[in-house]
Amino acid sequence: QKEVEQNSGPLSVPEGAIASLNCTYSDRGSQSFFWYRQYSGKSPELIMSIYSNGDKEDGRFTAQLNKASQYVSLLIRDSQPSDSATYLCAVTHEAGTALIFGKGTTLSVSS
Amino acid sequence: NAGVMQNPRHLVRRRGQEARLRCSPMKGHSHVYWYRQLPEEGLKFMVYLQKENIIDESGMPKERFSAEFPKEGPSILRIQQVVRGDSAAYFCASSPGNEKLFFGSGTQLSVL
Repeated sequence: QKEVEQNSGPLSVPEGAIASLNCTYSDRGSQSFFWYRQYSGKSPELIMSIYSNGDKEDGRFTAQLNKASQYVSLLIRDSQPSDSATYLCAVTHEAGTALIFGKGTTLSVSS
Repeated sequence: NAGVMQNPRHLVRRRGQEARLRCSPMKGHSHVYWYRQLPEEGLKFMVYLQKENIIDESGMPKERFSAEFPKEGPSILRIQQVVRGDSAAYFCASSPGNEKLFFGSGTQLSVL
């Protein structure tokens, strides 16, 4: 059974701080990793993808992947109240197979 | 360029009725995925389809649920003889063939 685990939170950070969101996965053969953001009552929105070990930066977001530890994380720098949402980690074994999602971590950024 | 279109946004059914959920993928996308989401739960994979073919239905309940993606027209997720436990948000996503999924706004199914 392929699983993706995330702490449900809520993770609370003050405005301007760094938010760190973590995810572990069980399928060692996983190849592609994604972070989606979902506002309450809305659909998931892709914000980051990462495929190789190391860091990938996009604006205030940095995704980190460690395949040996089966661990992927998302850092949000200079957190804003508008970042308050549920962040979903998703993993897939290969192209053409279904994304497996974690339950998500709820982030709350206070102003 | 329209995104993934799902309808209806909200669907109310009584126990025992049928629910039909529709999904039109983004232009140029031939891969469609259906997910179900319950409150406080993550997205649960149900089925993956390409035009006229079911590729993976490992997440679909064996009874009452079916899905299709015909050559012409939207993908349909059909739930027969609905029960209260079917109440959930059903999301459709499409992809051009890589792993990046783009989601529709979802259909909230409520079973009375």
